[in-house]
Amino acid sequence: SQKIEQNSEALNIQEGKTATLTCNYTNYSPAYLQWYRQDPGRGPVFLLLIRENEKEKRKERLKVTFDTTLKQSLFHITASQPADSATYLCALPNYGGSQGNLIFGKGTKLSVKP
Amino acid sequence: GAGVSQTPSNKVTEKGKYVELRCDPISGHTALYWYRQSLGQGPEFLIYFQGTGAADDSGLPNDRFFAVRPEGSVSTLKIQRTERGDSAMYLCASSPAGFWGSNQPQHFGDGTRLSIL
Repeated sequence: SQKIEQNSEALNIQEGKTATLTCNYTNYSPAYLQWYRQDPGRGPVFLLLIRENEKEKRKERLKVTFDTTLKQSLFHITASQPADSATYLCALPNYGGSQGNLIFGKGTKLSVKP
Repeated sequence: GAGVSQTPSNKVTEKGKYVELRCDPISGHTALYWYRQSLGQGPEFLIYFQGTGAADDSGLPNDRFFAVRPEGSVSTLKIQRTERGDSAMYLCASSPAGFWGSNQPQHFGDGTRLSIL
């Protein structure tokens, strides 16, 4: 079955630096991969989706890469701000099950210090 | 409303009781998902509806859990004979469609925090 590993439970960086979060999967390469942001006590909020034929996707200060050879996605936040502090979740479609549902990683808690 | 709405936001009950958790998805979204999230973990899939029917209920942990979506919009997750291990955040999400290979983002509500004493 598919397993997702996100590099660390917590990542602390200084404001203005680039945060890099890692998502590794173990089994089949998915057709796409999604990244979500989750604040304490709130539901996840969709950020970016990258397809298997896309090497890189950008949205404002966010950048996602997808390497199907390494079975890895990297999520970058440039010029980080304290408001970026949250837990970031990586998610893949669950082809082992039925249609539509996602498998999530445990998330990486990012703290950006002023 | 504009987003996915879940009620109640918090539910505290005693072991053995029955609970119902409600999800009101974004209008027009045919796909609806229930997930459960424990502290420090990612959301874990429970059940997926396409319209009124449960297309995949493989994530339901046992027969104490049941969900319905009778009119293809609002869904209710029902838990019988609750146990302390059922304590978690229960999240609902919706998307315009959930067919195989769909790459649409899921829109989550803010969940119901369930605590079983």
